[in-house]
Amino acid sequence: DVKVTQSSRYLVKRTGEKVFLECVQDMDHENMFWYRQDPGLGLRLIYFSYDVKMKEKGDIPEGYSVSREKKERFSLILESASTNQTSMYLCASSLPRYGYTFGSGTRLTVV
Amino acid sequence: AQRVTQPEKLLSVFKGAPVELKCNYSYSGSPELFWYVQYSRQRLQLLLRHISRESIKGFTADLNKGETSFHLKKPFAQEEDSAMYYCALSGYGGSQGNLIFGKGTKLSVKP
Repeated sequence: DVKVTQSSRYLVKRTGEKVFLECVQDMDHENMFWYRQDPGLGLRLIYFSYDVKMKEKGDIPEGYSVSREKKERFSLILESASTNQTSMYLCASSLPRYGYTFGSGTRLTVV
Repeated sequence: AQRVTQPEKLLSVFKGAPVELKCNYSYSGSPELFWYVQYSRQRLQLLLRHISRESIKGFTADLNKGETSFHLKKPFAQEEDSAMYYCALSGYGGSQGNLIFGKGTKLSVKP
C-alpha cells in the first residue's frame, strides 16, 4: 500500500559529494515536494513541482536542485554536500488543495 | 505573511487526561487547515482536515476564524497518542496551495 517511495532510508555521504535523493509516487499526482525536517524547525520546503520539467523554489533552496523528468519521479540533488545539510528529507505528493502523502523519509548524514 | 504557530514544543500529559495542542495561523483569506501526525519511526501522515469536520482517533479540531486558531483536542489521552504533531495551512491556487507547516509539538502521554 506504499504510495510515495523514497529510495533510501539512511545515507551517509562525505562533504563535497554530489548526492541524489529519489522519490517516486504511484498516485498520478501532479504536485510533488521536497522538505527537510529538523528538530525545533519543523518542515521547511526546499523545492516543489507542479508538472513534469517544472520546478519552483521553496523557502530554503540554497545548495539544492531538483529534477522532474517524469510525472511520478522527483529527485533532489545536493550538488556539493555540506555538514549543514545533515537532516531528514521528506518527499510528498498531492492533488491540488488536498492533503499531502509523504514518503518515509531519508535520513542523510554528511561527514 | 502566511504563518503557522505552534507555541508548545513539548506537551506532556498523563493517560486519561484531556489534551489540547495549540495552533494559530496568519493568512489573509480563508485557508484550509490540517493536522499531521508522525509516530515514532513512521511516516508523517494526515490526521484530519478542518473541511472534513471529522473525528479521527478521538481527536477533533475546530477552526476559529475570529481567533485564527485550529487547536487539536482529545478528551482522554492514550499512550499511543504520543507522537509529533504538526499543524499546517494551505491557501488557494498556485504556490498558495502549498502547505505551510508549524514547527510541531511533541506530545508525550505518560502512563
